[in-house]
Amino acid sequence: DGGITQSPKYLFRKEGQNVTLSCEQNLNHDAMYWYRQDPGQGLRLIYYSQIVNDFQKGDIAEGYSVSREKKESFPLTVTSAQKNPTAFYLCASSIAGQGIGELFFGEGSRLTVL
Amino acid sequence: QKEVEQNSGPLSVPEGAIASLNCTYSDRGSQSFFWYRQYSGKSPELIMFIYSNGDKEDGRFTAQLNKASQYVSLLIRDSQPSDSATYLCAVTTGTASKLTFGTGTRLQVTL
Repeated sequence: DGGITQSPKYLFRKEGQNVTLSCEQNLNHDAMYWYRQDPGQGLRLIYYSQIVNDFQKGDIAEGYSVSREKKESFPLTVTSAQKNPTAFYLCASSIAGQGIGELFFGEGSRLTVL
Repeated sequence: QKEVEQNSGPLSVPEGAIASLNCTYSDRGSQSFFWYRQYSGKSPELIMFIYSNGDKEDGRFTAQLNKASQYVSLLIRDSQPSDSATYLCAVTTGTASKLTFGTGTRLQVTL
């Protein structure tokens, strides 16, 4: 089955630690995205990539880093510089740009900082 | 002013009634409009998209777009308890590569 796989589903982290969230897709989509969702704030774009080896900052990129070494993979690292990292993180992909077609989402990763 | 605004709800409608969900946006240049449904604790899934002024129907769902008023709505006919979810409005803002989401409206369909 084609889709997007995020792991882990739940993650606990101590303050000061970096953590990497995995996102893999087998839909052959060019574009991939990371969103953060907090209660009452909807989805906010962290980073996006429209092609391998290239990515752009979204609205809330500070404290996060990404890489896009393969078309299928777009991991997100939440660094210790992120002041309030506890949130629900969603990875998505699309055939082309966001405004052109449907976004397909993974099941999400819920990060809790202890 | 937020780029995409929705009433957070909850919007409560009885089973079988029409649910009307509304969204306003601030960028007059927006070209593409999407409605996503998100069940609690789950990821969003696309319900409808609309690009042109007017109505677009798909089964029990109708999307309505009025670019002059910068307003997009989603009507759900014959509402079912399984429609209870948060509905997210998403609009392209700036370049076509940027999609901005509203905060969502929580819909409750009561028996």
